[in-house]
Amino acid sequence: SQQGEEDPQALSIQEGENATMNCSYKTSINNLQWYRQNSGRGLVHLILIRSNEREKHSGRLRVTLDTSKKSSSLLITASRAADTASYFCATARGGGNNRLAFGKGNQVVVIP
Amino acid sequence: DGGITQSPKYLFRKEGQNVTLSCEQNLNHDAMYWYRQDPGQGLRLIYYSQIVNDFQKGDIAEGYSVSREKKESFPLTVTSAQKNPTAFYLCASSTTGTAAYNEQFFGPGTRLTVL
Repeated sequence: SQQGEEDPQALSIQEGENATMNCSYKTSINNLQWYRQNSGRGLVHLILIRSNEREKHSGRLRVTLDTSKKSSSLLITASRAADTASYFCATARGGGNNRLAFGKGNQVVVIP
Repeated sequence: DGGITQSPKYLFRKEGQNVTLSCEQNLNHDAMYWYRQDPGQGLRLIYYSQIVNDFQKGDIAEGYSVSREKKESFPLTVTSAQKNPTAFYLCASSTTGTAAYNEQFFGPGTRLTVL
């Protein structure tokens, strides 16, 4: 099955800095989604980018998708302590099957 | 965690016992999912259901069973055949459709520990 795979990073940054994390996948996709998980909690959907889109913004989030390289990046600008969490990318193949394949996640710590 | 509840939050089980994890949603979603999360391994799909009275195995279904008798409910049973059940279990739901541009909504999770 397809898999989204983040670069396995633990990122530690100062409040106000930007945080960038990457995701690569192996097969063709319908869309790619990013989720956030606070420690010990469920995942929260952040943003979805379709396979025919190259860039998408939502507040302080910017997602890019390069289908030729099978990769995506998530940028969080002007980070805040509340952004401390794990971030997962997930890929969907579509075709009526709503399954998502999740990567292993990136842990981000924002130091106040 | 919007509209999806999981219970209990913490569950302890003795070896050889079956346990059932509850998942309920009031989002009127057709599709529901069960994931297992282990440290450093991300989420792995156990079972999913796209409609009432139908479900399919995910990537790691062995040792687990589910039912989908009602749209709102998708309980997961961890059987004694599951050799390493200690993990964090997450339930999710989504809409369905041929477009499949469907985000998943997650519950708060159940942490299962085998003693």
